[in-house]
Amino acid sequence: KAGVTQTPRYLIKTRGQQVTLSCSPISGHRSVSWYQQTPGQGLQFLFEYFSETQRNKGNFPGRFSGRQFSNSRSEMNVSTLELGDSALYLCASSLGPDRDQETQYFGPGTRLLVL
Amino acid sequence: QKEVEQNSGPLSVPEGAIASLNCTYSDRGSQSFFWYRQYSGKSPELIMSIYSNGDKEDGRFTAQLNKASQYVSLLIRDSQPSDSATYLCAVYRLGPGGYNKLIFGAGTRLAVHP
Repeated sequence: KAGVTQTPRYLIKTRGQQVTLSCSPISGHRSVSWYQQTPGQGLQFLFEYFSETQRNKGNFPGRFSGRQFSNSRSEMNVSTLELGDSALYLCASSLGPDRDQETQYFGPGTRLLVL
Repeated sequence: QKEVEQNSGPLSVPEGAIASLNCTYSDRGSQSFFWYRQYSGKSPELIMSIYSNGDKEDGRFTAQLNKASQYVSLLIRDSQPSDSATYLCAVYRLGPGGYNKLIFGAGTRLAVHP
């Protein structure tokens, strides 16, 4: 079974631009979570989607948004990029929200550099 | 107080030794606990999960959970240089919307030297 895939793998943007990152979960997985990882802050939770609904949201400004499609694929968008948005963005998928389904598996990440 | 706390390390152990990684969490209602390993420049990969008090073994890895003390640990037996990585502890807790949310510790960097 293929793992979680994320595109693009690397991205360079300039301040003020916007970016869209894509995540395809493991086949059959319906829950997708997004995380931001920086050397100083570690893994920070952005949001989680299940069945096209956002169920949890982390403490990030409104410039960060996401959505999930009916095939469970997910995208996240960052508008008006700032230098501090440079990070590794990780997507993780799980079967679902129930206790025996909640184990998360990570994709390879998208490394974003904002200049 | 951080929700999930780990010693950042580095924890340095000789090859063949037992590495002991510790994690404490703040939400007494948490029921699900995970250990991930992350090599430099790579994404986290799942090592194991634990849900009940006591020990759970998987190969060279043993996870230990003590809910009363709000403490999770990971033991790595016969440590190898290839085990050198950052180990992340993750704990599910109830989010404000009533759904569980996975919270990660900052990670402990393990260095196994020959």
